[in-house]
Amino acid sequence: DTAVSQTPKYLVTQMGNDKSIKCEQNLGHDTMYWYKQDSKKFLKIMFSYNNKELIINETVPNRFSPKSPDKAHLNLHINSLELGDSAVYFCASSQMEAEAFFGQGTRLTVV
Amino acid sequence: GQNIDQPTEMTATEGAIVQINCTYQTSGFNGLFWYQQHAGEAPTFLSYNVLDGLEEKGRFSSFLSRSKGYSYLLLKELQMKDSASYLCAVSPNTGFQKLVFGTGTRLLVSP
Repeated sequence: DTAVSQTPKYLVTQMGNDKSIKCEQNLGHDTMYWYKQDSKKFLKIMFSYNNKELIINETVPNRFSPKSPDKAHLNLHINSLELGDSAVYFCASSQMEAEAFFGQGTRLTVV
Repeated sequence: GQNIDQPTEMTATEGAIVQINCTYQTSGFNGLFWYQQHAGEAPTFLSYNVLDGLEEKGRFSSFLSRSKGYSYLLLKELQMKDSASYLCAVSPNTGFQKLVFGTGTRLLVSP
């Protein structure tokens, strides 16, 4: 009974392609996030959504477009993929003033 | 700006005690988190400090000094399964809109 689930777990694609990563949480949390973890394992916030509304966009290129159809889902669409986009992308959720729960990650490799 | 520093790597032996330090300089402060991340897995929550002092949770304890911008995670009675990366993260805003992570400390526990 996975709390935060994201698909796919692995994604290998060519430069220039467009791809999406899906995320769902069944914890009833109001806030969802996308984080990027680079090859040096540095985890950095990309977006935060609260009740389907964007509250943080941390200077992410506009090739990245998050979409939240409801507060349990936060998907990430990436246009015109570049080599530098290769990383592990983590979805997370939290309820205000409490810890974040992370999904298992999507390892994106752009070739 | 936001700056969170941790040692890159530490080693210890089974049964020992290890202390992982974290210093931070952030634009605001609404709490400090410690997460554990095994290789290829999601970060999982260990502890949260918002007031000065020590929080104990089984074999793990976390300490915070807000005036010094300093925290540590103390792991006692080390086990092989404690080999993982330990991530220090600060919430700089109210409402936990995002976490700012350090680069993580990779802990290797040897027999």
